[in-house]
Amino acid sequence: DAGVIQSPRHEVTEMGQEVTLRCKPISGHDYLFWYRQTMMRGLELLIYFNNNVPIDDSGMPEDRFSAKMPNASFSTLKIQPSEPRDSAVYFCASSSAITLYGYTFGSGTRLTVV
Amino acid sequence: DQQVKQNSPSLSVQEGRISILNCDYTNSMFDYFLWYKKYPAEGPTFLISISSIKDKNEDGRFTVFLNKSAKHLSLHIVPSQPGDSAVYFCVLGGAQKLVFGQGTRLTINP
Repeated sequence: DAGVIQSPRHEVTEMGQEVTLRCKPISGHDYLFWYRQTMMRGLELLIYFNNNVPIDDSGMPEDRFSAKMPNASFSTLKIQPSEPRDSAVYFCASSSAITLYGYTFGSGTRLTVV
Repeated sequence: DQQVKQNSPSLSVQEGRISILNCDYTNSMFDYFLWYKKYPAEGPTFLISISSIKDKNEDGRFTVFLNKSAKHLSLHIVPSQPGDSAVYFCVLGGAQKLVFGQGTRLTINP
């Protein structure tokens, strides 16, 4: 298995533009998580899905952020419109009831909003 | 409102010696305590965990200790190797969610 795959690895965009981050979880994993890492707040959970259904989105900072999981093999995190304070590394992770808290993280997407 | 605190942002240890990383938490409702490791430009990777009903778990060179009365978690690495140089996150697990500490950057010197 190739692990959790995130794209793009790096994204530079102008303030006000829409940004879409993508994630392919490990096949068979039924939990998918989106995390954001910043210097100030560290790694924080934004939202997580179970069997493609959003379970907890209390970490999503604002209405400008939205996440979808249309099927078991794909999820997106969208920011519209983007702002400079959204600059961070965004990680996607997946797990299953068997792996419990042994999440597998992707390599992350480094987002820079200028 | 930090639920998990790693008070040492960095730690430097000689190769072959013991590395001890510490963590304090405030919320006792979590049922698992974990350590994740992160190399630059990569995502965090799971290292070792301990359930709330135990006080020690060992896996090779890595041992995690849990002191519930003190709400304290520690990770011992012995002997330390250069490849152990990374950022280590103390993590609380509960309700299928993980809460990460700020991390401690461990540097192993040859």
